[in-house]
Amino acid sequence: EPEVTQTPSHQVTQMGQEVILRCVPISNHLYFYWYRQILGQKVEFLVSFYNNEISEKSEIFDDQFSVERPDGSNFTLKIRSTKLEDSAMYFCASTGVNYGYTFGSGTRLTVV
Amino acid sequence: DAKTTQPNSMESNEEEPVHLPCNHSTISGTDYIHWYRQLPSQGPEYVIHGLTSNVNNRMASLAIAEDRKSSTLILHRATLRDAAVYYCILRGETDSWGKLQFGAGTQVVVTP
Repeated sequence: EPEVTQTPSHQVTQMGQEVILRCVPISNHLYFYWYRQILGQKVEFLVSFYNNEISEKSEIFDDQFSVERPDGSNFTLKIRSTKLEDSAMYFCASTGVNYGYTFGSGTRLTVV
Repeated sequence: DAKTTQPNSMESNEEEPVHLPCNHSTISGTDYIHWYRQLPSQGPEYVIHGLTSNVNNRMASLAIAEDRKSSTLILHRATLRDAAVYYCILRGETDSWGKLQFGAGTQVVVTP
């Protein structure tokens, strides 16, 4: 069964550093998403991406965040200057025409 | 998206059925009922969705009340692998690609 692949599985970074989280969505999917989940809390929507542009973003997705699909297969989330409160699991997801979203296993980001 | 209400947790014995209720009294006529689950340390996983008629797939069954104000996800024979948080989410017919709004879900505990 096709999978959404996320790398790395765990990233530790110093506060103020830039991080890039990487995702390879399912190849024939057209819509891509980033969600995050702070430990013990709900899964929160960050951003959706379609046709090489952001289609929707949440209040969490401020100027410190950006997304890119650089080469037609990867989908990245960049956090420019990480804060302690950015520590969370970050999930990438994609969907095609069958209504079901496929999520990756996530990247655990720890900001120290 | 319309709001859903689920119990915080449910417990089941292995190999017994599990019935997970979801109330959605403000559902509109074109809202689909979606279920996702999140296994420990994993991303959410699509389970099933429906509009009016009951639905079955290899993972579960979805029973939808005649007035559509509630629904029940049925796991026919719970296994230890079914221990997860189950989310009931409403999606508009014209919102196929939009964000998923996750609530707290129902934590299912399966006892051997």
